Amino acid sequence: AQSVAQPEDQVNVAEGNPLTVKCTYSVSGNPYLFWYVQYPNRGLQFLLKYITGDNLVKGSYGFEAEFNKSQTSFHLKKPSALVSDSALYFCAVRDRMDSSYKLIFGSGTRLLVRP
Amino acid sequence: EAQVTQNPRYLITVTGKKLTVTCSQNMNHEYMSWYRQDPGLGLRQIYYSMNVEVTDKGDVPEGYKVSRKEKRNFPLILESPSPNQTSLYFCASSRPGLAASTDTQYFGPGTRLTVL
Repeated sequence: AQSVAQPEDQVNVAEGNPLTVKCTYSVSGNPYLFWYVQYPNRGLQFLLKYITGDNLVKGSYGFEAEFNKSQTSFHLKKPSALVSDSALYFCAVRDRMDSSYKLIFGSGTRLLVRP
Repeated sequence: EAQVTQNPRYLITVTGKKLTVTCSQNMNHEYMSWYRQDPGLGLRQIYYSMNVEVTDKGDVPEGYKVSRKEKRNFPLILESPSPNQTSLYFCASSRPGLAASTDTQYFGPGTRLTVL
């Protein structure tokens, strides 16, 4: 079955330190990979996506993610965290062969950046 | 401003009372979809629509209906809501095309539904 795992319910980092939010997936073939962020009382905002090509993808707000095919991972990273980055982060994948264009989401990771 | 809007944003209702959550997008997107978000489960697809008058079930369609009479609107209908439909609902849209699967889905602000 297709699935996405975000192994950490919460990640705590100090402002200015690097952050990593982990994501691994189990999808047949070569999926498309996405990261979304959800701020309190807001919808999901698109951060970045991996389709093909360079394994390091750069997105909004200074975030980047690294696609690792052998480890089936797509970890979200940022070199220097801001307090305003505190939010709920979702990893999602889409099976290239799925005609429904459905996104399969992980359970989410809450990022808390302390001043 | 390009956006997906949902109404209402918050709704408390009682079991069995029919309700509709509206979704509208102004980006001329062909594809629209409904998801529900539950703690620890992420988002799961309820229904989707590839274009006007073309709809299909997602992973959790039981208890829901949709319609797509116009390109911009994709309402979610709960004919007889039950407490297990208490959730946060998101509408999304995108534009499938030659690079169909690569297109980004844009999400509305969400509708928090409580069924008593």
